[in-house]
Amino acid sequence: DTEVTQTPKHLVMGMTNKKSLKCEQHMGHRAMYWYKQKAKKPPELMFVYSYEKLSINESVPSRFSPECPNSSLLNLHLHALQPEDSALYLCASSQEQAAGQTGELFFGEGSRLTVL
Amino acid sequence: GENVEQHPSTLSVQEGDSAVIKCTYSDSASNYFPWYKQELGKGPQLIIDIRSNVGEKKDQRIAVTLNKTAKHFSLHITETQPEDSAVYFCAASEGGSTLGRLYFGRGTQLTVWP
Repeated sequence: DTEVTQTPKHLVMGMTNKKSLKCEQHMGHRAMYWYKQKAKKPPELMFVYSYEKLSINESVPSRFSPECPNSSLLNLHLHALQPEDSALYLCASSQEQAAGQTGELFFGEGSRLTVL
Repeated sequence: GENVEQHPSTLSVQEGDSAVIKCTYSDSASNYFPWYKQELGKGPQLIIDIRSNVGEKKDQRIAVTLNKTAKHFSLHITETQPEDSAVYFCAASEGGSTLGRLYFGRGTQLTVWP
């Protein structure tokens, strides 16, 4: 069982709606990530938070707004999305490693988003 | 940035046979190479990983080999079972990063026939 919990599992929204995806982990990890995955494609990195601060934004459109309220929670606020934003949104977390060492990523089960 | 190539894109094997998936990477500074298994409707799950100071790692029926000189690494699954059917992704880390910025291959759909 994954230790990264994502809600909701499924979300359908219109282009004018505002919704949020939520992610929670209790492994004490200090890095959290949002990935986007289209069907039959690998995950694509969107955002990385390290110690609750945004460290990486992969030039994601502003209609996606991440938030990290504390070290266990990660949100992705959605507004004015387009049908092409329909995808599986994956949250992940990792422990910070020694300098130059990448830590293991633990993924959640994802939130499947459909934009009508 | 890093570029990871993965082959084959689809692989069908008979139950009990072995399966091999190969990946190449471009950045010689990459030092962490995980493999993920993704079942339908689920998130990717780490099945094995290897760091650049090791040439081979085994975990029961799964093994990964790394050739730093040639910049390629492979996943080997022996005695395959139907429950091994899934999409497998290889990945390489961004060299020198302490965060999990991973570059993924395009995935291999493995089907194990009973």
